[in-house]
Amino acid sequence: DVKVTQSSRYLVKRTGEKVFLECVQDMDHENMFWYRQDPGLGLRLIYFSYDVKMKEKGDIPEGYSVSREKKERFSLILESASTNQTSMYLCASSTDQGMRGYTFGSGTRLTVV
Amino acid sequence: QQQVKQSPQSLIVQKGGISIINCAYENTAFDYFPWYQQFPGKGPALLIAIRPDVSEKKEGRFTISFNKSAKQFSLHIMDSQPGDSATYFCAANSGYSTLTFGKGTMLLVSP
Repeated sequence: DVKVTQSSRYLVKRTGEKVFLECVQDMDHENMFWYRQDPGLGLRLIYFSYDVKMKEKGDIPEGYSVSREKKERFSLILESASTNQTSMYLCASSTDQGMRGYTFGSGTRLTVV
Repeated sequence: QQQVKQSPQSLIVQKGGISIINCAYENTAFDYFPWYQQFPGKGPALLIAIRPDVSEKKEGRFTISFNKSAKQFSLHIMDSQPGDSATYFCAANSGYSTLTFGKGTMLLVSP
């Protein structure tokens, strides 16, 4: 069964910590995405990548960075976590064909205290 | 112009009733309109999608209606069941742009 796996379901971190959220897909997809989901705000795109070592800013990249060293792995980095980054983080991937049909992971619920 | 506006924010429907969720867009370049379904504790999953060359697409109890001139599309869930209770997101994109999502609709189907 093909899937997108996020390494942690729940994380609690302290303000100022550097946080790594990991995502791995086993579908050989070219495109990978990081979204955050907040009540009433829907899904907001943070960063995406269409190839290894390539990255593009989404709608809300401030305070985040990403890394894609291998095709199957896309990491989201919070350089210095803040309480306003408490959220559900969703990773997704899609094939190269027009970025259709995203497959999402189950999400990581991050709480910054 | 990249927005997709979704309504209502929440919806309660009796078992067996019809659930209707609406979305509107501005960008006329959009040519792919999917709906995603998300259960609590899970990521969104693709439910059904439509291209603008057809006005309707049906898969089981789920139907997308598309009105190109009005720049609107909607999801209809016929014979709604408690197992359909979830959050639904509409989305749209064009070519190689990323999907733009609506803000979601929480659907509760009461027994």
